[in-house]
Amino acid sequence: DVKVTQSSRYLVKRTGEKVFLECVQDMDHENMFWYRQDPGLGLRLIYFSYDVKMKEKGDIPEGYSVSREKKERFSLILESASTNQTSMYLCASRSSGPALSEQFFGPGTRLTVL
Amino acid sequence: DQQVKQNSPSLSVQEGRISILNCDYTNSMFDYFLWYKKYPAEGPTFLISISSIKDKNEDGRFTVFLNKSAKHLSLHIVPSQPGDSAVYFCAGDDKIIFGKGTRLHILP
Repeated sequence: DVKVTQSSRYLVKRTGEKVFLECVQDMDHENMFWYRQDPGLGLRLIYFSYDVKMKEKGDIPEGYSVSREKKERFSLILESASTNQTSMYLCASRSSGPALSEQFFGPGTRLTVL
Repeated sequence: DQQVKQNSPSLSVQEGRISILNCDYTNSMFDYFLWYKKYPAEGPTFLISISSIKDKNEDGRFTVFLNKSAKHLSLHIVPSQPGDSAVYFCAGDDKIIFGKGTRLHILP
């Protein structure tokens, strides 16, 4: 049973705090992704990683950074949390290769920044 | 610039009837398209995909149609069931760019 896990389902932080969101997958996937989901805006890509130590900016990387030191783990970092980063954060992974490969998503972390 | 667009935020369909969810795209470089289904408080789950070289792909009650000249794809669900009530996202590869989603309500 494939699995993508996220460190917290719910998180409340204060403005200015440094926030770490952790994502772990057990499928040996090369590609990992971080999205945020907001009402009326759908899923927007923040960062993605094609492999260990590789990262690329998505559509909305401002205010975020990422770390991929091990293949199974992809961390999203909010250097100084702000109220407009209150959102549902979703991590996903998939295998790489020429053929179509579906993404597997974690359950999400609902982050509230006060 | 929104590369994948779902212009209908919500759709209501009678149980047993056909649900048709639409999606338009602007990026002609997508090699394939995917549909995901999302329930509240859960991550999206993969539903069905289609390669850009095909115009139809069918899997049980779900069929996706691709019209490349119109840059349009649609997901058909026949017959619609109560468990189909969810938000549906279409997406284009390779970074998996999602549309904003359509909330489908199946009415009893």
